[in-house]
Amino acid sequence: DAGITQSPRHKVTETGTPVTLRCHQTENHRYMYWYRQDPGHGLRLIHYSYGVKDTDKGEVSDGYSVSRSKTEDFLLTLESATSSQTSVYFCAISEWQGAQGGELFFGEGSRLTVL
Amino acid sequence: SQQGEEDPQALSIQEGENATMNCSYKTSINNLQWYRQNSGRGLVHLILIRSNEREKHSGRLRVTLDTSKKSSSLLITASRAADTASYFCATSDQGAQKLVFGQGTRLTINP
Repeated sequence: DAGITQSPRHKVTETGTPVTLRCHQTENHRYMYWYRQDPGHGLRLIHYSYGVKDTDKGEVSDGYSVSRSKTEDFLLTLESATSSQTSVYFCAISEWQGAQGGELFFGEGSRLTVL
Repeated sequence: SQQGEEDPQALSIQEGENATMNCSYKTSINNLQWYRQNSGRGLVHLILIRSNEREKHSGRLRVTLDTSKKSSSLLITASRAADTASYFCATSDQGAQKLVFGQGTRLTINP
């Protein structure tokens, strides 16, 4: 299995509080991604990173920010959590090869409940 | 919005039968991938097919791609109880270094 660790794996928080989810990899892959998974929506991309301090938005980035200060860590922050951000969050990594693409390796997910 | 849409949303078959899942997408792609997700787990990559390929095999998996119809199919032959999972197609647009996933097909293999 690819070396990807998400923390925390489960979190319950209250509306309006800040939350940070961490993704740590030991594979030295350049690309890292944060997705959220909700019933009826599949997986939707929140943000992704293509290098240290290089990030870009996905399709559902509102209310989320990310940071990548080291190759191995990609942080997802909810500045002020809302109930609509209750979801399962997945981190993924990849060595994307230009037009050839690349497979994504996923972490085990972080289940966030916002009350 | 989702790029890929899987059909059917749910499929239940008997062990030993073949399972076919379909995926349609909207824009030109570089490649299309299929992933499996067991309940409560992360997604696992199954197979990647490039836009210039029409068919690809991996063990009991067969994937086809029809770029003129913007569709792909995943065939699992001789299904087993362990194949019970959700299956997702994902596409990467030309020039993009990211995948857009469909909503998935829930496959149940009955013993």
